[in-house]
Amino acid sequence: GQQVMQIPQYQHVQEGEDFTTYCNSSTTLSNIQWYKQRPGGHPVFLIQLVKSGEVKKQKRLTFQFGEAKKNSSLHITATQTTDVGTYFCAGPQDKLIFGTGTRLQVFP
Amino acid sequence: DSGVTQTPKHLITATGQRVTLRCSPRSGDLSVYWYQQSLDQGLQFLIQYYNGEERAKGNILERFSAQQFPDLHSELNLSSLELGDSALYFCASSVEDRLSPLHFGNGTRLTVT
Repeated sequence: GQQVMQIPQYQHVQEGEDFTTYCNSSTTLSNIQWYKQRPGGHPVFLIQLVKSGEVKKQKRLTFQFGEAKKNSSLHITATQTTDVGTYFCAGPQDKLIFGTGTRLQVFP
Repeated sequence: DSGVTQTPKHLITATGQRVTLRCSPRSGDLSVYWYQQSLDQGLQFLIQYYNGEERAKGNILERFSAQQFPDLHSELNLSSLELGDSALYFCASSVEDRLSPLHFGNGTRLTVT
């Protein structure tokens, strides 16, 4: 069945450092979605990428969809303590499968 | 506020019991999803409904069942509960089927003792 893996599983950074999480699917995706879950909260939709090679930016966050539409990345520039949380990618096939998630901890 | 309402927020029950979790989707959303999140784990897809019909099924146990009613609210029934069923159960809704972003409720935290 479809699997969506994310690396790294955990990342601890100093405030101001950059952060990147990578998402890899075992199958080609029609689109990729990214979500953020703050500690104790629920997942919140961040962005959706549809086109091969697509790059989208939201302030300090840069999202990229791979050319083969099987991988994606989220890069945060100059992390802040408000970036703390778990970042999930999600890809639809016959069902919307979430990646394993990357937990980001930012130290002030 | 995502617009998705889940009740109850917390549920504590004993092994062998049965519980019902309720979800009201965002106004206008036709699709409802259920996910299970164990402590510090990922989101495990359970089941999806679209406009009252089952659309996709994940690794949902036979002891678990769900349905979506004509008014589009959904219920997840968990029976013969085991300690390992303790988890956060999220409901999410979307406008369309699979390709639209999900809007999550605040979840129901189930503790089985």
